[in-house]
Amino acid sequence: AQSVTQLDSQVPVFEEAPVELRCNYSSSVSVYLFWYVQYPNQGLQLLLKYLSGSTLVKGINGFEAEFNKSQTSFHLRKPSVHISDTAEYFCAVGGSNYKLTFGKGTLLTVNP
Amino acid sequence: DTEVTQTPKHLVMGMTNKKSLKCEQHMGHRAMYWYKQKAKKPPELMFVYSYEKLSINESVPSRFSPECPNSSLLNLHLHALQPEDSALYLCASSQRMTSGTDTQYFGPGTRLTVL
Repeated sequence: AQSVTQLDSQVPVFEEAPVELRCNYSSSVSVYLFWYVQYPNQGLQLLLKYLSGSTLVKGINGFEAEFNKSQTSFHLRKPSVHISDTAEYFCAVGGSNYKLTFGKGTLLTVNP
Repeated sequence: DTEVTQTPKHLVMGMTNKKSLKCEQHMGHRAMYWYKQKAKKPPELMFVYSYEKLSINESVPSRFSPECPNSSLLNLHLHALQPEDSALYLCASSQRMTSGTDTQYFGPGTRLTVL
């Protein structure tokens, strides 16, 4: 079984501030981790993914995430956010089967 | 090109209507998915097709009927829906369905309102 916990349902930040969106997972098998972003009234867009190898993963739009096996975490970071980063962010885990298990999402609101 | 297209963008239907949602991808992916997403919730898996065959039905009511006419197309036929079926319906595709490493690419969704 696999599960994902996104610790913050909402994260408000000011423009140009750094941000971290937290994600913890549990899985009894090999772990593949994903971050998706959903802008208002749109579908999900892949930001980045961890399959194996380097634990620091760089994605689109200046986002990066670090896989930490000992802490079972995959937190998403950006050093300086823009208004356009306002969106819902979903962490997801894929295991040895077909299923992609999503967290409940974190709404990032970037204020001027 | 990692594009999944969905039509229509918006759909309003009555409880007695029959309508269909359409999804298309040209990435050569052999797994296609339907998800339902309610407001402020994560997507919930409904169906998975693998090589044009229905592989997974996540106990979805029969008023939702999926169809995969070919490897690029996925339809969702709707009949006798309830107001609580109003949601964003997302289509996704991936290379295969057997491995958790395969990235799922999502379409923009169809916003369905059932009156």
